Amino acid sequence: QVQLVESGGGVVQPGRSLRLSCAASGFTFSSYGMHWVRQAPGRGLEWVAVLAYGGHNEYYANSVKGRFTISRDNAKNTLYLQMNSLRAEDTAFYFCAKDHGVNGDRGIDNWGQGTLVTVSS
Amino acid sequence: DIQMTQSPSSLSASVGDRVTITCRASRGISNYLAWFQQKPGEAPKSLIFAASTLQSGVPSRFSGSGSETDFTLTISNLQPEDFATYYCQQYDRYPPSFGPGTKVDIK
Repeated sequence: QVQLVESGGGVVQPGRSLRLSCAASGFTFSSYGMHWVRQAPGRGLEWVAVLAYGGHNEYYANSVKGRFTISRDNAKNTLYLQMNSLRAEDTAFYFCAKDHGVNGDRGIDNWGQGTLVTVSS
Repeated sequence: DIQMTQSPSSLSASVGDRVTITCRASRGISNYLAWFQQKPGEAPKSLIFAASTLQSGVPSRFSGSGSETDFTLTISNLQPEDFATYYCQQYDRYPPSFGPGTKVDIK
């Protein structure tokens, strides 16, 4: 069965960087688009970024564009989110999610359990 | 960007009830609409994609309908495990956007 396991969350000071990882198993990782979605504590879901199966097409939410970078290593079945210039408003649970389609535009079908990022001095 | 709204924001229902949640898009999105369920302290779970197609393993008491701007999620014969928050999401245009959620709790 599909498994997505995020890691790399923690407490970080404003302006610093953090890299999240998502280890995928149970499916052919290199054949699917992948997303990052976040949720501030007690708030709703916010889409963050998507990356196509081959790593060639990526899109970002306006709130993170220019600061966050999504990438993948298909040989390691791993998705990443490099987060730079972190702000207090980036504090959230970050979920990795698999798409139905190759380009990440056919809807999410599986989610990881999430990792918490806290931006605080 | 496409804005998604949901109504109601919360509702109280009893086991066995039929529940309907509405989701509206600020512009037409064809059928590029998904529904997710989230319980407290848990990750979201995918229920429906393409407006009406159930994800594998989702009970048939869940159903979705609609197109373009108006969509509904219906839960017939509400079960104890269905008390949760439900989100819709459009994925027709970037950025994909979620509705604010509808919390279904026990009456």
